[in-house]
Order: sequence, then C-alpha cells, then structure tokens
Amino acid sequence: AQTVTQSQPEMSVQEAETVTLSCTYDTSENNYYLFWYKQPPSRQMILVIRQEAYKQQNATENRFSVNFQKAAKSFSLKISDSQLGDTAMYFCAFMKQLKGDMRFGAGTRLTVKP
Amino acid sequence: NAGVMQNPRHLVRRRGQEARLRCSPMKGHSHVYWYRQLPEEGLKFMVYLQKENIIDESGMPKERFSAEFPKEGPSILRIQQVVRGDSAAYFCASSPMGGLYTEAFFGQGTRLTVV
Repeated sequence: AQTVTQSQPEMSVQEAETVTLSCTYDTSENNYYLFWYKQPPSRQMILVIRQEAYKQQNATENRFSVNFQKAAKSFSLKISDSQLGDTAMYFCAFMKQLKGDMRFGAGTRLTVKP
Repeated sequence: NAGVMQNPRHLVRRRGQEARLRCSPMKGHSHVYWYRQLPEEGLKFMVYLQKENIIDESGMPKERFSAEFPKEGPSILRIQQVVRGDSAAYFCASSPMGGLYTEAFFGQGTRLTVV
C-alpha cells in the first residue's frame, strides 16, 4: 500500500517570500505520478503541479516548483514570491500508473501574511 | 466543456435516512473516483468506477455504502441509514482513462451533514 506523509500541519510565510512544503511517500512501484493540490476555503481541489516518476527533471509551473528525490521518496513544493491568494490547504498526492485513484497526505495549511 | 459537476453542494440528513450524492463527470470521461474528506483531514479514496463496473472499492466501508456508474446518467454514491460519523465532504473526480498519463479532475464536493 502506498502512504503519503506531510509532516507540517501548518506553515506561514510573508508575502513575496519563498516557502517549501515537504512530502514523503512510500511505495514499491517504479512508475507513478506525484501531485500537489491546493484547496482554498471554497473547497475546490486545484491541481498545482504534477511530476512523472520517470522524469528526472523537476517540474515547474510559474512560481511553483518541486524538488523530486526519487531515491529518498521525497517530493517537496517550493512556492516563490508568495501571494495572499496562495493561502490554502496544500495536499500531496500519489498515483500509481495505469490506476487513477490517488492517495493523499493529510495536508499542510499555508497562510501567507501581508 | 463543463467541469465535474456534483450535486447537491450541501445535503442535510437525519440519522437513519439515506443520502444520495451525484456526480456527472467531464464530457468524454469514463472513469470516476469518489473520495471522502473528514474535517481537517486529507482526502481518502473510497471507490473507483468505470461505466457499469466497479474497478476498486477497497476504500468503501463494508456496510451502508454503495456506488454505481450506470451506462447513462451520473455516478451515484449512496449511503444508507446515515450516522453522525458520515458527516464529511464527498468529492468526485473523473478522468478520460485509468490514470495513464493523466490526472483526475475534481468536482466541488458535496458537504453532507447528519443531524
């Protein structure tokens, strides 16, 4: 069974600064996908970034980037130039290839302070 | 192309009643997943369905819960004889195929409150 661990229940960052959210996972699979989802107070699950395990290059989407360490089974999210709108719950998720159900971590509540 | 549509957004049921949650996947999507989110927790996988088939129900409670995805119409998550512990947000997600090179797109969830 795959497990996803987010060890930081809450974090805060000043506007315009950089913050890193950590995520580790446990799996015996070699091919899989990792995701970061954002859940604002509206509860909508919004995909932030995804990473294919077979790709060595870390994924980047504008101000969001990941540090994917496959051997260490680590998948951290870096948010640069934090904005007030980044305030939300952030969930790390694992998906086994060819199977669409995702396993989520417990989440990190991020607050961006003005 | 409308996103994943869930209804109702909010549902209140008394203990012992039945709750029916509906999910219409995105157009062209034939795979549906249901997740439950308890307060202050992450999403927990419940069931994965294709049209007319249950692919994986390893996350479904053994009693009172059932899910279907008929050939026509939305997917339904049904909870019989609801109890207070069933109060949660229930999310549906859909994908065009079973996870290969894709990710699931989420609906806005149904918040079930059992009183």
